[in-house]
Order: sequence, then structure tokens, then C-alpha cells
Amino acid sequence: DAGITQSPRHKVTETGTPVTLRCHQTENHRYMYWYRQDPGHGLRLIHYSYGVKDTDKGEVSDGYSVSRSKTEDFLLTLESATSSQTSVYFCAISTGTGRRNTEAFFGQGTRLTVV
Amino acid sequence: QKEVEQDPGPLSVPEGAIVSLNCTYSNSAFQYFMWYRQYSRKGPELLMYTYSSGNKEDGRFTAQVDKSSKYISLFIRDSQPSDSATYLCAMTGMDSSYKLIFGSGTRLLVRP
Repeated sequence: DAGITQSPRHKVTETGTPVTLRCHQTENHRYMYWYRQDPGHGLRLIHYSYGVKDTDKGEVSDGYSVSRSKTEDFLLTLESATSSQTSVYFCAISTGTGRRNTEAFFGQGTRLTVV
Repeated sequence: QKEVEQDPGPLSVPEGAIVSLNCTYSNSAFQYFMWYRQYSRKGPELLMYTYSSGNKEDGRFTAQVDKSSKYISLFIRDSQPSDSATYLCAMTGMDSSYKLIFGSGTRLLVRP
């Protein structure tokens, strides 16, 4: 394993509640990403970070926010959960060193169900 | 139209068969091409990595990139039941801020 821990691994929450997912890495990698995976859509980028306090939006960022106050932690917040946010969420990290930056290591995923 | 297209399968083959998995893409700026393997209820893991056009071989796996056709392939020789998984192609270019764009994945089943 690449030293990535996602928490929680499973969560059921109610519509309209805020939810925060945590990604913790022990690799000191510069880049961190949040993806969601849904049938028929593959992995879609929500937000990513290229350093502490440096974040940017991905292709499906509406309804999500992120924060990175330390190199090792990248938090994803669903501001007001909706049923369309029921998904499997993956955190990934990469080194940011030249060509090898394209190699991403993934966490085990968080299964989120919004009821 | 999606930037990366991948047949979702499932693709079912007998053990020992040669498997061909493919992706097409539309963005000519993509230069880095990857294949990830994902077992059920696990995170994706990097299988093969190729820069620009050409072939790359690693054991039973061969990755091919044809940039002129915007087409990439992954071949698996002597397929094993343990190869049963979902295979996702991914790609990026220097103008993509290191964002990986994934295909939707092809589910492969290798029958004993």
C-alpha cells in the first residue's frame, strides 16, 4: 500500500447534512486528489491539491469543498448531502516529480450513501 | 462526448486467452497513458505506464499507444483467473495540470 488512509470507509447519512471525508497520507507527496466512481462514469475528478492551501476544481466540483492545511491531510466536504452524491469516493496521491507525477496511488475508497 | 471512451464490457474469456482492452480519446494534447487495474471493492492500482506513442511490455502485459489514431490498447497474454478485474485507462498531458482523465473501465472475467 502507498500509505494512504481514507476515513470513514463506509458512511450512511441523511439528505441535507454536511459530511466530511478524510484522506491521510504518509508519503509526503505534493499532489492529492478526490475522485468519485459511479457505474458508467468511471473515475471523475472532484477537486485536487498541489500543495498546502493550494486547491483547484475538477470536473464535478459542485456541492463539494476541500481543504488542505497540512501536507498529509486532504479533506472533502459535502456541504449539504444529496442522493446524487451517493457514490464511492477515492483519494489519490502523486509525487509531482516530472513524468512520474502522472502515477497516482489510490486509497481503498469510502462508500457513501445519502438517504 | 467524453474525452476518453472505453467499452464497459463485460469481457469474458477462457483461461489462457489473449485479451485486448482498448480506449479511444479526443484530446490530442494527451501524452501520458496509463492502465489501472481495479479489483472489486478496492482502489485502482497502476499496471502500465507509457509516454507518447509506441509499445511497452511488462511480463504478460503489453501497452500500445497510437497517437495518430488516438487509440490505446492493453494486451494480456496467457490470461489467468486472477486477472479478472476492471481495467481503466487514464491519460493526461502537460496542459492538464497533472489531472488524470479516466475511461469508464472494462470489466474482464477470465473463466477457469
